[in-house]
Amino acid sequence: AQKVTQAQTEISVVEKEDVTLDCVYETRDTTYYLFWYKQPPSGELVFLIRRNSFDEQNEISGRYSWNFQKSTSSFNFTITASQVVDSAVYFCAIQETSGSRLTFGEGTQLTVNP
Amino acid sequence: AAGVIQSPRHLIKEKRETATLKCYPIPRHDTVYWYQQGPGQDPQFLISFYEKMQSDKGSIPDRFSAQQFSDYHSELNMSSLELGDSALYFCASSLDHRDTYEQYFGPGTRLTVT
Repeated sequence: AQKVTQAQTEISVVEKEDVTLDCVYETRDTTYYLFWYKQPPSGELVFLIRRNSFDEQNEISGRYSWNFQKSTSSFNFTITASQVVDSAVYFCAIQETSGSRLTFGEGTQLTVNP
Repeated sequence: AAGVIQSPRHLIKEKRETATLKCYPIPRHDTVYWYQQGPGQDPQFLISFYEKMQSDKGSIPDRFSAQQFSDYHSELNMSSLELGDSALYFCASSLDHRDTYEQYFGPGTRLTVT
């Protein structure tokens, strides 16, 4: 069965610091998809990125970057120059086959202080 | 762009009552998922439908039932409500197409059972 572990329950940083959120996953499938979602205090789940298991290329989108390493089953998320508006719970998730359920990690509460 | 619509957004019920949550997927999306997120927890998969047929089932209590209708909207029916059913219920939709795997989440229905 698939599993996602986000060992960092809470992280607190000061604005403009860089912060990395860790995600480690387990799966027996060779084809799978990894996701990151952001959940601000308002409660909605905001899609950030999807990565398939065949694409280990790192991705950068503005202040966000993702490091996918199959060898260590990790899909870490870095926010550069954090801002107060980045404060939220961030979830890493895995999907083993197309159209199937998402299995979420327990989430990391990020607080960015001014 | 049109998003997933959930109604109602907030619902307060008493123990042993019945609740019905509705989900309207993004137009042309044929797959609907339901997730339950308890306070301080990650979203847990309940059930999904593809082309009006149940496609996957997670940890959904027997007191809950769901279906997808001919217009692709879905309803989650919850009976004999318990205090532990208080949670945020998300609906997500996706286009079960070969190249698209993102699940787009609705804003959620916050159910409070008193």
